[in-house]
Amino acid sequence: GQQVMQIPQYQHVQEGEDFTTYCNSSTTLSNIQWYKQRPGGHPVFLIQLVKSGEVKKQKRLTFQFGEAKKNSSLHITATQTTDVGTYFCAVNSGAGSYQLTFGKGTKLSVIP
Amino acid sequence: GAGVSQSPSNKVTEKGKDVELRCDPISGHTALYWYRQSLGQGLEFLIYFQGNSAPDKSGLPSDRFSAERTGGSVSTLTIQRTQQEDSAVYLCASSVGLAGFTDTQYFGPGTRLTVL
Repeated sequence: GQQVMQIPQYQHVQEGEDFTTYCNSSTTLSNIQWYKQRPGGHPVFLIQLVKSGEVKKQKRLTFQFGEAKKNSSLHITATQTTDVGTYFCAVNSGAGSYQLTFGKGTKLSVIP
Repeated sequence: GAGVSQSPSNKVTEKGKDVELRCDPISGHTALYWYRQSLGQGLEFLIYFQGNSAPDKSGLPSDRFSAERTGGSVSTLTIQRTQQEDSAVYLCASSVGLAGFTDTQYFGPGTRLTVL
């Protein structure tokens, strides 16, 4: 099945600093999804990217899908304490499958 | 509308006992997934149900783990002869199951299992 590498594993930032997490695949992806899991909570869907080079924004969050559809990034501008949590990317497990393979996640800590 | 629900929210059991974890997916969702998440770790896929098709059990870690989905709705994950390494949060998710699409998965709150 599809594999995806997510980096970094952990990130500690001062409140107000920017944050970026990356997902990389060795093969072309059909699409990619991003989820956020707050401490003690469950993963919640954020966004899905489908098109090559696609960029989507949600307030301070910017999601990008690479031109080759092999990588993606999530960038948070001016982090706030409410951004704390683990961010997962997820990709289709294989052709014709509904299943998602999740990256290992990036755990974000924001120091107030 | 109602989201995915799971019960119990917490379960403490003794090593060697069997446990059953329940998941109620969103009504109308044909796809249902079970994941395991150990403390501070990522999501480990366990099993996947899609409609009436045979489930994908490729993620089950041992034959002590089994799951069923009755009537295409409620699912039960059973762990027999629990071991301490089974301690984790067990998450259930459901999705619409549209052909040709990668579905958004909606997660339940999870069951925190502690094996003493």
